[in-house]
Amino acid sequence: VQLQQWGAGLLKPSETLSLTCAVYGGSFSGFYWSWIRQPPGKGLEWIGEINHSGSTNYNPSLKSRVTISVDTSKKQFSLKLRSVTAADTAVYYCASYDFWGQGTLVTVSS
Amino acid sequence: DAVMTQSPLSLPVTLGQPASISCRSSQSLVYSDGDTYLNWFQQRPGQSPRRLIYKVSNRDSGVPDRFSGSGSGTDFTLKISRVEAEDVGVYYCMQGTHWPRTFGQGTKVEIK
Repeated sequence: VQLQQWGAGLLKPSETLSLTCAVYGGSFSGFYWSWIRQPPGKGLEWIGEINHSGSTNYNPSLKSRVTISVDTSKKQFSLKLRSVTAADTAVYYCASYDFWGQGTLVTVSS
Repeated sequence: DAVMTQSPLSLPVTLGQPASISCRSSQSLVYSDGDTYLNWFQQRPGQSPRRLIYKVSNRDSGVPDRFSGSGSGTDFTLKISRVEAEDVGVYYCMQGTHWPRTFGQGTKVEIK
């Protein structure tokens, strides 16, 4: 199983962060697929997760700004984070915990 | 939230010597199905995290047997029996029992 992620790496404050993760190989159904972020030089923060049928769980600290969606036909899942600020600058990972994407550095700067 | 507290946060180790990292949860991690969803991850410099251990003590495929996990309830430990140079990095525990999922602060393992 490989996870390949992509999305814009430079945003201005108040814009929407948008990332997509594609799953290659293995089964897409029966698992939860997660987004996790890591601010520069800091630890890991769980953002949320989704399964193949679209059932989601979010971190309450971000819930008001986050939407995670799934496209089962393409074996992809996506993250949207609205109204970003400098505090959202981080490397964003998609993961199933046993498999991780390569990470995308998202920088928020005016 | 289940707060995960790791110690120590920095761990200098001599090559070939053992290392041990503690992880404590503010809540029991025993799920209603009877399993305990405690994972350990390794993050080498400049790399994505890699899961080493799941459900307290199960090694992922390809993980050397010098890594072992133990514990129950709220107290867990990751042990490296003989540290090798490739083990340098930051180690995180993560609980998958409660929402939101939460990570420990990380323990940086370095060679003396």
